[in-house]
Amino acid sequence: AQTVTQSQPEMSVQEAETVTLSCTYDTSESDYYLFWYKQPPSRQMILVIRQEAYKQQNATENRFSVNFQKAAKSFSLKISDSQLGDAAMYFCAYLEGYGGATNKLIFGTGTLLAVQP
Amino acid sequence: DGGITQSPKYLFRKEGQNVTLSCEQNLNHDAMYWYRQDPGQGLRLIYYSQIVNDFQKGDIAEGYSVSREKKESFPLTVTSAQKNPTAFYLCASIGLGNQPQHFGDGTRLSIL
Repeated sequence: AQTVTQSQPEMSVQEAETVTLSCTYDTSESDYYLFWYKQPPSRQMILVIRQEAYKQQNATENRFSVNFQKAAKSFSLKISDSQLGDAAMYFCAYLEGYGGATNKLIFGTGTLLAVQP
Repeated sequence: DGGITQSPKYLFRKEGQNVTLSCEQNLNHDAMYWYRQDPGQGLRLIYYSQIVNDFQKGDIAEGYSVSREKKESFPLTVTSAQKNPTAFYLCASIGLGNQPQHFGDGTRLSIL
């Protein structure tokens, strides 16, 4: 079964600095999707960024980018120019059943990011 | 605006009582999901449904039941058999093409 591991329960970053959140996963599939979700105190789940495994280019969304290492099964999130509004719980997720009828998201346990002014 | 509506936002359950959490979507999505979130943990899948009148158990289905009589609706019942129901419950849906799941705002369930 696929698993997703986030080894950093908590992280802290100074405003305007850069922080990287780690995520590793285990799968025997070759085609799949990976996601980072943000969950602020309101507990909404907000999609931050998405990566298709067949794409070698790392995904980027404004200040958010990923370092996708397929062979190492690693999918880290880099937040540049951190802002106070970035403070939240961040979840890494793997989409199981790509191309099939399942489409289940498998989540890591999350990393709580604090942004210091 | 299209989206997913969960209600109520807060729910309290008495011992031995069944309670039902509502999830409605107007995104015309075929697949819908229920997740449970406990402190310090990610989201765990309870049930999911790919089409109307069909649903499958997720990883922690014991003590829960669902129905999918309409495409727009996927209610979750927390039965008295669920001995530790206190958690945050999130409903999600997904359309075609493996697009990211859309989430509702959640329901917090507590025991009285």
